[in-house]
Amino acid sequence: DVKVTQSSRYLVKRTGEKVFLECVQDMDHENMFWYRQDPGLGLRLIYFSYDVKMKEKGDIPEGYSVSREKKERFSLILESASTNQTSMYLCASSPPQGLNTEAFFGQGTRLTVV
Amino acid sequence: GENVEQHPSTLSVQEGDSAVIKCTYSDSASNYFPWYKQELGKRPQLIIDIRSNVGEKKDQRIAVTLNKTAKHFSLHITETQPEDSAVYFCAASKGDTGNQFYFGTGTSLTVIP
Repeated sequence: DVKVTQSSRYLVKRTGEKVFLECVQDMDHENMFWYRQDPGLGLRLIYFSYDVKMKEKGDIPEGYSVSREKKERFSLILESASTNQTSMYLCASSPPQGLNTEAFFGQGTRLTVV
Repeated sequence: GENVEQHPSTLSVQEGDSAVIKCTYSDSASNYFPWYKQELGKRPQLIIDIRSNVGEKKDQRIAVTLNKTAKHFSLHITETQPEDSAVYFCAASKGDTGNQFYFGTGTSLTVIP
């Protein structure tokens, strides 16, 4: 079974803090994604990566950055956390382009910024 | 880019009835359409998918239909059960660089016993 593991289920951070959300997958997937999930807005893509050290902006990259130094790990960074970044964050991974197959999700990190 | 719209946002059905969720997409190059189910407090998980060379796919009580000309696809759940209660997301993908998935906004399905 594919395992996508996010480092924390719940996080509470203060406004202005630098926040790191970590995601690790064990299936040697090339593609990794960070989504934000908010009620009524579905899953919105923040950033994705299709290879080590490669990254592409998604639909809502402002206020976020990412790092992919190793194939299995994809980190989401909130440079200076703000209250409007309070949300559920979901990491996902999928096989390479062209195979057109499912994305596997982590269990999510619920981040609260106070 | 791709735009996926999903309706309805909420749906309540009596146990045993059928439920239908509809999605439209904008990019005719999209060729893979998965459906995810997310139970409360859990991660989204794939329940069924369809590729653009197929018009319909069925797996027990769930089925998906695809109309490429109209650019819409639908999820059908028959003989609904309380455990079908969840949020359902449709998605579209082109399978190109990054295999990016574009998700709908989700449908919260409640099956009333």
